[in-house]
Amino acid sequence: EDQVTQSPEALRLQEGESSSLNCSYTVSGLRGLFWYRQDPGKGPEFLFTLYSAGEEKEKERLKATLTKKESFLHITAPKPEDSATYLCAVRLEGGGNKLTFGTGTQLKVEL
Amino acid sequence: DTGVSQDPRHKITKRGQNVTFRCDPISEHNRLYWYRQTLGQGPEFLTYFQNEAQLEKSRLLSDRFSAERPKGSFSTLEIQRTEQGDSAMYLCASSPGQGVGYGYTFGSGTRLTVV
Repeated sequence: EDQVTQSPEALRLQEGESSSLNCSYTVSGLRGLFWYRQDPGKGPEFLFTLYSAGEEKEKERLKATLTKKESFLHITAPKPEDSATYLCAVRLEGGGNKLTFGTGTQLKVEL
Repeated sequence: DTGVSQDPRHKITKRGQNVTFRCDPISEHNRLYWYRQTLGQGPEFLTYFQNEAQLEKSRLLSDRFSAERPKGSFSTLEIQRTEQGDSAMYLCASSPGQGVGYGYTFGSGTRLTVV
């Protein structure tokens, strides 16, 4: 069965304390891996799409990487405004246009 | 264009009542999606439209759920005979044409509470 697992479930960082979030997947045929940010009471906000192992994308303090089994979202020198839930999702070969989401990592960055 | 718009933002209904939600996608996007999200979980796919055609439906979409996109623009999601288990955030998203790389643009959702 296709699965997307995110860890940790929750992460508390001090401002400036870099860390990484993990998204591991066991799927047959990946057509794309997506990262989203979700603030409380709002819909997910698109961050990145990764297609193939070795690919990297960056945006401000965020950098996403992809291997054959997992993706990492690296957060460098985070600020309190980076506090949110970070979701990863996969689109599968033969899966049409739907995304299968993980349960997310809830990030809290404190002063 | 201010993004994907959903209405209402919140809905409280009694068990057994019918409810309808509306989604207005980004105007140039021909693909529209409905997802459901419960607390502490990621969004779960419900259904997908390309223009006015409903091309995919999840097993989660029971007979009590129906979605339409009559003119390929806005969409409605109706839940008949609501149950407490239907309480969730209902998210709409849209995306342009072909290709894998684009991310969906999600609306802010409609939070449904069934009492």
